Amino acid sequence: AQKITQTQPGMFVQEKEAVTLDCTYDTSDQSYGLFWYKQPSSGEMIFLIYQGSYDEQNATEGRYSLNFQKARKSANLVISASQLGDSAMYFCAMRDGGGADGLTFGKGTHLIIQP
Amino acid sequence: DADVTQTPRNRITKTGKRIMLECSQTKGHDRMYWYRQDPGLGLQLIYYSFDVKDINKGEISDGYSVSRQAQAKFSLSLESAIPNQTALYFCATSEGVGGEETQYFGPGTRLLVL
Repeated sequence: AQKITQTQPGMFVQEKEAVTLDCTYDTSDQSYGLFWYKQPSSGEMIFLIYQGSYDEQNATEGRYSLNFQKARKSANLVISASQLGDSAMYFCAMRDGGGADGLTFGKGTHLIIQP
Repeated sequence: DADVTQTPRNRITKTGKRIMLECSQTKGHDRMYWYRQDPGLGLQLIYYSFDVKDINKGEISDGYSVSRQAQAKFSLSLESAIPNQTALYFCATSEGVGGEETQYFGPGTRLLVL
């Protein structure tokens, strides 16, 4: 069963608009962590934001925030005031308590910011 | 200087050849990981290591082996490369138990197996 689902293969957004990238996850563990990474065309993986399953408040990092809805098992990334440099692939990932210690990744969303 | 480095950054090899991808980190982290990324997909875990004496298989370890030479160094080997191992390979690190969970990635190695 797929653990991380990103339902938006691609998105086009006008510059300066806010963007929401969807992510749903599946786990039976009580303790887990959720991550978002950005991968520009150059290929590197850039960490954006982290949310722990026990964190009561949504995580924020500058223009990035994570809309964490635990009961719905969703962890959407919100980018405020999008910029041309935000154009990239965005991956949602999860570390849960079972299995390997590594991260399980979704298939990603290709975000294109238009001027 | 980058905290996590990978060498080589690009490699072309032939089917049946043995190759090694190397990863070094200056973050002082205990845990290190190897992932591969196929076009249009997310990353998949190959191997991970909690410390020098602890090596664990990930979800796609067949055809690969690893060596943790020191806390700072973690190498991935393809004993006999095949074309479907063509991919982008990432090394990552994170702190140990009780530390920050975030995994920090190296710049990646693009491997082409002909």
